[in-house]
Amino acid sequence: KNQVEQSPQSLIILEGKNCTLQCNYTVSPFSNLRWYKQDTGRGPVSLTIMTFSENTKSNGRYTATLDADTKQSSLHITASQLSDSASYICVVSAGGLTGGGNKLTFGTGTQLKVEL
Amino acid sequence: DAGVIQSPRHEVTEMGQEVTLRCKPISGHNSLFWYRQTMMRGLELLIYFNNNVPIDDSGMPEDRFSAKMPNASFSTLKIQPSEPRDSAVYFCASSLLGHNEQFFGPGTRLTVL
Repeated sequence: KNQVEQSPQSLIILEGKNCTLQCNYTVSPFSNLRWYKQDTGRGPVSLTIMTFSENTKSNGRYTATLDADTKQSSLHITASQLSDSASYICVVSAGGLTGGGNKLTFGTGTQLKVEL
Repeated sequence: DAGVIQSPRHEVTEMGQEVTLRCKPISGHNSLFWYRQTMMRGLELLIYFNNNVPIDDSGMPEDRFSAKMPNASFSTLKIQPSEPRDSAVYFCASSLLGHNEQFFGPGTRLTVL
């Protein structure tokens, strides 16, 4: 059964600090892995998308890594800001097609809170 | 670009009533997805369409749920009859076929009493 597990479930950090969120998956065949940020009351917004051949991708202060051998991904947030407070969701796509042809497996998310 | 538009944003109804959620995808996008999000189960893909054709509805929980896409700019998700366990936030997302990135709407928060 395809699964995506995220850790920690929740995290509180001080503004300006760095943090790393983890995602482990057992999805086969692997197509791509996405990290989404979801603010309270809003829809998820894509941060990064990585395919099998990519092992790191950055989007501003967000850097995602992928180890396809160990089936692990991480999202590193540098110099956190209050606006980073949100849920971060890891999503893994299975199958050989891109876009709408993929079967998606969602993690339950890590709830991050950044405090002063 | 207005993004994905969903209506209503909030819906409160009583058990047994019919509920219709609406979605307008981003203009030019040809894949549309319906998701449900709850605290217990997180995000779940219910159904998706490519070029207005339903491709995979294996995530639709029961026959009480149905979705249509009569044209490229409009889709509905209907629940009839609704039950309290259907209470959740329902998201619509769209993308270009062959592209990985999906753009989500603001969601409809459904409460079934």
